[in-house]
Amino acid sequence: DTGVSQDPRHKITKRGQNVTFRCDPISEHNRLYWYRQTLGQGPEFLTYFQNEAQLEKSRLLSDRFSAERPKGSFSTLEIQRTEQGDSAMYLCASSSTWTPYEQYFGPGTRLTVT
Amino acid sequence: AQTVTQSQPEMSVQEAETVTLSCTYDTSESDYYLFWYKQPPSRQMILVIRQEAYKQQNATENRFSVNFQKAAKSFSLKISDSQLGDAAMYFCAYRSVQGAQKLVFGQGTRLTINP
Repeated sequence: DTGVSQDPRHKITKRGQNVTFRCDPISEHNRLYWYRQTLGQGPEFLTYFQNEAQLEKSRLLSDRFSAERPKGSFSTLEIQRTEQGDSAMYLCASSSTWTPYEQYFGPGTRLTVT
Repeated sequence: AQTVTQSQPEMSVQEAETVTLSCTYDTSESDYYLFWYKQPPSRQMILVIRQEAYKQQNATENRFSVNFQKAAKSFSLKISDSQLGDAAMYFCAYRSVQGAQKLVFGQGTRLTINP
């Protein structure tokens, strides 16, 4: 069990560029979540996958944001035409069917939009 | 929609002392989970303790315990014998049992341990 991993850990991009983040959940976990955390705040839910199906999306997830989980394994979160307000920590978490209440978090990807 | 409020942005405690972090929440649901998560500086968030709303008994995990008051919608975390490694941001979180799978977090409390 290597835990939830995220790549990259840090990303600096210019406004208007597209960025993509990757999350690898714990291997036997079929549920995957994305959250966004701005400085000094608690994480806010973005989206949730069960296997490859995206079952929930927050209203925070504007049309510039898209998430995928092909084959129900790793997940990607893409932000198109980044804005300075997108600067935040993007957290991924996973859980299993057997312990759905316990979400294990990755280290996060810190995005800075200049 | 459910909301979680942590009214203490910062708390400090002397090493080996006891500290209590406060959390209140708002929901119309009768069954749910409540959590305390710890986020050390530059490290990932980890689960400290979990409480199921249908259980009257307060959860405990070693030096960590909760005071769950369902009618008052209050869920505080008590840390006994505070250690330097307890220094972190602490987040209270809510999750529905049915339906929405997301965690709803409070704003967090930064805990400092004074040696």
